[in-house]
Amino acid sequence: QKEVEQNSGPLSVPEGAIASLNCTYSDRGSQSFFWYRQYSGKSPELIMFIYSNGDKEDGRFTAQLNKASQYVSLLIRDSQPSDSATYLCAVKRGNTGKLIFGQGTTLQVKP
Amino acid sequence: GAGVSQSPSNKVTEKGKDVELRCDPISGHTALYWYRQSLGQGLEFLIYFQGNSAPDKSGLPSDRFSAERTGGSVSTLTIQRTQQEDSAVYLCASSEEETQYFGPGTRLLVL
Repeated sequence: QKEVEQNSGPLSVPEGAIASLNCTYSDRGSQSFFWYRQYSGKSPELIMFIYSNGDKEDGRFTAQLNKASQYVSLLIRDSQPSDSATYLCAVKRGNTGKLIFGQGTTLQVKP
Repeated sequence: GAGVSQSPSNKVTEKGKDVELRCDPISGHTALYWYRQSLGQGLEFLIYFQGNSAPDKSGLPSDRFSAERTGGSVSTLTIQRTQQEDSAVYLCASSEEETQYFGPGTRLLVL
């Protein structure tokens, strides 16, 4: 079992719809959770991070964390074609600095 | 301000040669990370420097890989006797607190 798992997709949604991206992790000691967006040929850029159970909203993005279920998700409202990218879930354990990444989910937003 | 910079942006080498990859972190960031991303894969942690502490080398795939960080700033990742499976994008990131900011990466191709 991989430490951080994501469905590789592609996930295809129409423009204006809600895209839901999911991630599960295996280490219950994980404390910080990050979502990065990566356009083809580019480096990852941070969308948002979450530490506490529940929802965290930032503009069109909402991160949801459920530590009991070891599950973190990213919702993108009013999806735009410019949101088409690979979304990487990353987990940080305890006091270590390193991030453990999932393999990413490719999102396609169709006009 | 300036982000993380990496050089070279592309490197083509022959199997068995040594390569050096350079990372200039964001000024003032105390932590520096190296990751590797193979085609279509998520990011794989390699090594992490935090201030003056001993680096976390737990992700280095073999003893052919080494890294140093001089003066708490610039870092060099060295791969000795390169193999074809070393071909990947090598990404550097730096952080002050939780958020890691990535450089543009070095695309390494071993022929």
